[in-house]
Amino acid sequence: GAVVSQHPSRVICKSGTSVKIECRSLDFQATTMFWYRQFPKKSLMLMATSNEGSKATYEQGVEKDKFLINHASLTLSTLTVTSAHPEDSSFYICSASRQGAGYGYTFGSGTRLTVV
Amino acid sequence: AQSVTQPDIHITVSEGASLELRCNYSYGATPYLFWYVQSPGQGLQLLLKYFSGDTLVQGIKGFEAEFKRSQSSFNLRKPSVHWSDAAEYFCAVGVDRGSTLGRLYFGRGTQLTVWP
Repeated sequence: GAVVSQHPSRVICKSGTSVKIECRSLDFQATTMFWYRQFPKKSLMLMATSNEGSKATYEQGVEKDKFLINHASLTLSTLTVTSAHPEDSSFYICSASRQGAGYGYTFGSGTRLTVV
Repeated sequence: AQSVTQPDIHITVSEGASLELRCNYSYGATPYLFWYVQSPGQGLQLLLKYFSGDTLVQGIKGFEAEFKRSQSSFNLRKPSVHWSDAAEYFCAVGVDRGSTLGRLYFGRGTQLTVWP
């Protein structure tokens, strides 16, 4: 079945540094990638949507200069948290869709980011 | 505007008892409906989905859900709950973009606790 590999699964970084999270579709072409953020005991909040080769579309209230999303190929999308601060600590999950609505969505396993 | 309502934040059932998790949605067209399960610190696992056809859909782990257009509902059921079913459950609506899927709208989630 379709698999999205998300790395790293956990990362701890110092305040002020940048962290990159990768999502790779292993056996299909991800035409659209969605990036979500999840706070403890909360639902998933969509941060941005990216289509291969295009600039990401960010949801209202999401800082595009802080959360840089790149979707340079049909199999790789990255989220870079720049100048991370403790309030950026969260669980980040990617999800991919592809041509053919019947395939649904494929989720990565998530990344736990802790900024100290 | 699209929205998903899961009215129950937390449900507790005894092992072996039946389970029903409620989900109501608001969407202007025929919805693509999903139920996901999430264990602590993990990503989302798809339980089942409805796109069209038979309104009673079977999923993994013995779960089923019924799409009722007149009630805008997509409730999740299981006849006999196992202790391993304890987790967070999310109902979601997917947006149809023709040849592919747009973003997912998630409910806030229902936390299921199972007593032995």
